[in-house]
Amino acid sequence: AQTVTQSQPEMSVQEAETVTLSCTYDTSESDYYLFWYKQPPSRQMILVIRQEAYKQQNATENRFSVNFQKAAKSFSLKISDSQLGDAAMYFCAYRSAGNNDMRFGAGTRLTVKP
Amino acid sequence: DSGVTQTPKHLITATGQRVTLRCSPRSGDLSVYWYQQSLDQGLQFLIQYYNGEERAKGNILERFSAQQFPDLHSELNLSSLELGDSALYFCASSPRVNVQETQYFGPGTRLLVL
Repeated sequence: AQTVTQSQPEMSVQEAETVTLSCTYDTSESDYYLFWYKQPPSRQMILVIRQEAYKQQNATENRFSVNFQKAAKSFSLKISDSQLGDAAMYFCAYRSAGNNDMRFGAGTRLTVKP
Repeated sequence: DSGVTQTPKHLITATGQRVTLRCSPRSGDLSVYWYQQSLDQGLQFLIQYYNGEERAKGNILERFSAQQFPDLHSELNLSSLELGDSALYFCASSPRVNVQETQYFGPGTRLLVL
């Protein structure tokens, strides 16, 4: 079964600095999708960025970018120019191309210091 | 605002009781997914419906059931409730059933079983 591991329960970053959140996953499949979701104190799950495994180019969404290393099964999220509103729980998620069962990591709580 | 609505926002009930959680997907979305987020289990996929039919099943207990109605709204029924069922229950939706589609999450229903 696929598993998703986020090894950093908590991270902290200074406002305007850059922070990288780590995620690794375990799978024997070659076709899949990876996601980063943000959960602010409101508890709403908000999609931050997604990556298709068949694409070699790393996804980018404004200040958010990923470092996708397929061979290493690693999918880290980089947040540039951190803002106070970035403070939240961040979940890494894996979804097989063969089914709709999305697997989530345990989450990383990001604190942004002013 | 994702366009997915869930009611009620909060629910407090007693062990042994039965509750129904409701979800309205984004306009035009045919797929609905249910997730449970608890402190000990993290975020888990429960079940997916597509255009009224069950499509995928995750870690859903036999005491739980769901359905999707002709107007595409969905209900998650939880019965014989136990203390451990206390959690945040999310509904998400996507346009069709393709795994590459992004899922948009609702605000969640917080269930407390006393």
